[in-house]
Amino acid sequence: GAGVSQSPSNKVTEKGKDVELRCDPISGHTALYWYRQRLGQGLEFLIYFQGNSAPDKSGLPSDRFSAERTGESVSTLTIQRTQQEDSAVYLCASSLGLSTSGGETQYFGPGTRLTVL
Amino acid sequence: LAKTTQPISMDSYEGQEVNITCSHNNIATNDYITWYQQFPSQGPRFIIQGYKTKVTNEVASLFIPADRKSSTLSLPRVSLSDTAVYYCLVRDSGAGSYQLTFGKGTKLSVIP
Repeated sequence: GAGVSQSPSNKVTEKGKDVELRCDPISGHTALYWYRQRLGQGLEFLIYFQGNSAPDKSGLPSDRFSAERTGESVSTLTIQRTQQEDSAVYLCASSLGLSTSGGETQYFGPGTRLTVL
Repeated sequence: LAKTTQPISMDSYEGQEVNITCSHNNIATNDYITWYQQFPSQGPRFIIQGYKTKVTNEVASLFIPADRKSSTLSLPRVSLSDTAVYYCLVRDSGAGSYQLTFGKGTKLSVIP
């Protein structure tokens, strides 16, 4: 089946503008994650959705960042009033959902490269 | 928090076996250890996962000692296409959430 897809693949915006990034998870995956990866750095966790539970927003760096997910499908990450430090690759991942043993596997999309001028 | 530590970089010649060790001293009882591979401009890709002892698949082997405070990813006979960043990952159950903690990654360079 199809993997995780993200759009757009690249986004260039001006400082102060809002941007919206989209993630389409693998069908049937109840868990969805957003990560941020700055150039040459590791992945930073941003937010996690699991089914209809309240999302874990503990990784969002500021209130300019928000994300939504409709049921167990598409998710949108919104960054308001973008700043130059928001420039990074934003990665989405989905999984079948965590078991109590934590042995779930995440499948990543190709990412959206955001450049804030 | 379950934090991981890996070497920043490693070099290897083609055809050699490469072992990358990750330390995770605060790993929780129910945590699994997962390794991902990332090529430039791509999202990470799952390689292997284990809980204890040894796990082997068609790509790699994962060795986990009894105390589970470390793990070693073993790549047999690497080729140039194995040049990538390798991430060690453990579930961060201590934070009361399902957040997964990525290590900083090990940049493996395979030399002809």
